[in-house]
Amino acid sequence: GQSLEQPSEVTAVEGAIVQINCTYQTSGFYGLSWYQQHDGGAPTFLSYNGLDGLEETGRFSSFLSRSDSYGYLLLQELQMKDSASYFCAVHQAGTALIFGKGTTLSVSS
Amino acid sequence: NAGVTQTPKFQVLKTGQSMTLQCAQDMNHNSMYWYRQDPGMGLRLIYYSASEGTTDKGEVPNGYNVSRLNKREFSLRLESAAPSQTSVYFCASSATRTEEEYFGPGTRLTVT
Repeated sequence: GQSLEQPSEVTAVEGAIVQINCTYQTSGFYGLSWYQQHDGGAPTFLSYNGLDGLEETGRFSSFLSRSDSYGYLLLQELQMKDSASYFCAVHQAGTALIFGKGTTLSVSS
Repeated sequence: NAGVTQTPKFQVLKTGQSMTLQCAQDMNHNSMYWYRQDPGMGLRLIYYSASEGTTDKGEVPNGYNVSRLNKREFSLRLESAAPSQTSVYFCASSATRTEEEYFGPGTRLTVT
């Protein structure tokens, strides 16, 4: 079978750094993506890791370790507008994206 | 360039009624998807279409049917709605099955 695990909630203050972890168990894995969703709106793509290592996009970075079946999303210089749900999603051969249950990030001032 | 559009935005059905959710994209994408989102459950794949003319089941296909009408449009049909199908339904598309997905605004469906 397949499974993705990520924390259900994370809290942080403005200006801080937060890391959202994702562990997965799946066959035919070839990549990990992250999506952001504000308050029930449309999810939007943040990043993709197909190879081991760190991918950086502005304040957001994403990391993948295939050997550990593990990845994380790192958000720096947190802002109130970063309060949202964050989903990891695995790309696997023969099917479409499979999403985790999501992590709700609450940023306070 | 509207991206992915979905109709209707809201719908209330009685148990046993049928309805079709419509989805269209104007990005010339090959692949399209239907997800449902329930509180605490994340996004669960119902059906997808890797390319025009093909459809495949996802994680939770029971109670649903789909039609890839053409490259632009991918509809989801509930033949006999049940309260367990109360959910938010998202349609998405991507250039290919392996690339980033673009989501529509969602349809909020309540079955009483």
